[in-house]
Amino acid sequence: AQSVTQPDIHITVSEGASLELRCNYSYGATPYLFWYVQSPGQGLQLLLKYFSGDTLVQGIKGFEAEFKRSQSSFNLRKPSVHWSDAAEYFCAVGGAGNNRKLIWGLGTSLAVNP
Amino acid sequence: EPEVTQTPSHQVTQMGQEVILRCVPISNHLYFYWYRQILGQKVEFLVSFYNNEISEKSEIFDDQFSVERPDGSNFTLKIRSTKLEDSAMYFCASRDFGTGGNEQFFGPGTRLTVL
Repeated sequence: AQSVTQPDIHITVSEGASLELRCNYSYGATPYLFWYVQSPGQGLQLLLKYFSGDTLVQGIKGFEAEFKRSQSSFNLRKPSVHWSDAAEYFCAVGGAGNNRKLIWGLGTSLAVNP
Repeated sequence: EPEVTQTPSHQVTQMGQEVILRCVPISNHLYFYWYRQILGQKVEFLVSFYNNEISEKSEIFDDQFSVERPDGSNFTLKIRSTKLEDSAMYFCASRDFGTGGNEQFFGPGTRLTVL
């Protein structure tokens, strides 16, 4: 079955600390992988995506993620968190067909302490 | 920068009433989607739409749901007779045509509350 697991429902970090949000997926075909961020009252904004090629991808706002096929993981990282990074983070997987519907994780809520 | 818009931002309705949620996708996009997120649960795919027809729908998308692109710019989701369990945030998304990992661009969502 196709699924995405984000094991951490809620994470709190101090401003300036490093961050890693975990994402594991189960998908029968070659996956497209995405991280989206949602701030309160806002839509879902794409942080980064992996389609093929270099397994370490860079995104907006200083985020990066590494695709590890052997571990079925696509963890999101940031070396130094800013207070404005407090938001809900969603990992999603999709396929290469024309439809490309996304299958989502439950999300990780990030709080940043000053 | 072009963006997906959705109206209304919040809709309150009585059980059994019809609601129409509206979306304006990005103008040159060809694929359109509706997702929903019940509070505390995952975002779930409802339906995708391409070339004026449904290309895929989930088991959630039963006969009570319909989608339409009435005028070439709007993309609507209609729920004919709302149930309490339809209360959720509904997201519209659109995508360009092409190969590669084209991203879906999302609107801010419509929060539907069924009383």
